[in-house]
Amino acid sequence: QITLKESGPTLVKPTQTLTLTCTFSGFSLSTSGVGVGWIRQPPGKALEWLALIYWDDDNRYSPSLKSRLTLTKDTSKNQVVLTMTNMDPVDTATYYCAHRAEYRAYFDYWGQGTLVTVSS
Amino acid sequence: DIQMTQSPSSVSASVGDRVTITCRASQGIASWLAWYQQKPGKAPKFLLFAASSFHSVVPSRFSGSGSGTDFTLTISSLQPEDFATYYCQQANSFPLTFGGGTKVEIK
Repeated sequence: QITLKESGPTLVKPTQTLTLTCTFSGFSLSTSGVGVGWIRQPPGKALEWLALIYWDDDNRYSPSLKSRLTLTKDTSKNQVVLTMTNMDPVDTATYYCAHRAEYRAYFDYWGQGTLVTVSS
Repeated sequence: DIQMTQSPSSVSASVGDRVTITCRASQGIASWLAWYQQKPGKAPKFLLFAASSFHSVVPSRFSGSGSGTDFTLTISSLQPEDFATYYCQQANSFPLTFGGGTKVEIK
């Protein structure tokens, strides 16, 4: 059974760096083909893909946010960490991590999401 | 980037109605399209991939079709638990992109 859960601060100040951790079970990020992605959703708005990390450390980022994002993984802890620098109020959103499906970059299992508010 | 455009943005329907949602890609994506269902306050749920293949236990009233740039998600007989927002997502190329969503509301 695949599960994922996001953790991190619920409130950050503008210009600060956000660090979110995705802790998962039911799969290993050292297995060929496996990936974990991050997707966010501002309140009342649509989903936006942010980044995806593969088992082989191939990282993909949204071009519009690439300069601000970093993905790392700790396979021994079954964790993926997303770092986003220079946070702004427009980054207020629910942040989800999700398991990449086996066959393509779809997301078949999602965490519950964590709401991050950017405000001074 | 490939833009994904969904229509309508919202639809009001009754239980038992047939509902069709359209997703259009700004360029060809073969069949690399997924559909998700999201209920308020919940994470999206993966419904269909490769335009028409089911993920795990998805009711047979859901179906998908299309290839290239035009895709549809059809709910043949709307049930109370189907009232939600539906998103399409292309997986043809990076960056991955989602449609703007279609909210299915109770008439």
